[in-house]
Amino acid sequence: SQTIHQWPATLVQPVGSPLSLECTVEGTSNPNLYWYRQAAGRGLQLLFYSVGIGQISSEVPQNLSASRPQDRQFILSSKKLLLSDSGFYLCAWGGREGYEQYFGPGTRLTVT
Amino acid sequence: GESVGLHLPTLSVQEGDNSIINCAYSNSASDYFIWYKQESGKGPQFIIDIRSNMDKRQGQRVTVLLNKTVKHLSLQIAATQPGDSAVYFCAEKNQAGTALIFGKGTTLSVSS
Repeated sequence: SQTIHQWPATLVQPVGSPLSLECTVEGTSNPNLYWYRQAAGRGLQLLFYSVGIGQISSEVPQNLSASRPQDRQFILSSKKLLLSDSGFYLCAWGGREGYEQYFGPGTRLTVT
Repeated sequence: GESVGLHLPTLSVQEGDNSIINCAYSNSASDYFIWYKQESGKGPQFIIDIRSNMDKRQGQRVTVLLNKTVKHLSLQIAATQPGDSAVYFCAEKNQAGTALIFGKGTTLSVSS
C-alpha cells in the first residue's frame, strides 16, 4: 500500500531563517505531488504541484520554492521565512489516472 | 472563476443522528468532486468522490449527492458517531485538471 511521510512534524523558526520541509511517498511510482498550506481555521491553499522530476508549477507567488529531486521526493524551501509563513503544511500525492489526492500527516510551522 | 464553499462553518448533531454537510461550487463545468475529513492536527483523509456523470454515490455510512442544476454537493453521514467529529472539506478539480480547489470546511461536532 502507499504511504506518505512528512518531516519534521513541528518546527519553530525565527523570521529570516531558511526552511526545508521534506515529503516522500512509498508504494507508488511517478505520482503527482502537491504542497498545500493551511492557515488556522481555514481551507487548503495549493502552493506547488509537480508531475515529474524537476517539474514544478507554482500556484501562488511567494517566498517559498519547491523541488523534486527524485520521483517520490518533494521538498518545500525558503531562503528567508516571514511571519506570514506560519501554518500547517501538507504534502499530498495523486495518481495519474484519477484526481483524488492522499495527504501526509503535515508539518506545523511557527515563525517567531 | 473557480471557487468552492460550504454553507455552514459548523454543524452540531447528536450521536446516532444523520448529518448533512453542504457545499456549493461556482464552476458549472466542474466534473469531479471529492470530500475529505480532517481531524485536529492531522492531514485530510479521503472519504468519497463523485464524477459529474453521477448524481449519487454511496460508501460505508456516507453518501454524496451532486445536483448540477444548482451546483450543489452534499455529504450525508448516517448514524453519526463521536469519531466522525472533524472538519469536512469539499473540493473540485480545477479547470486545468492539475489540482483540487478546496472549500473552507465545516466543523462537525457530535455529542453523546
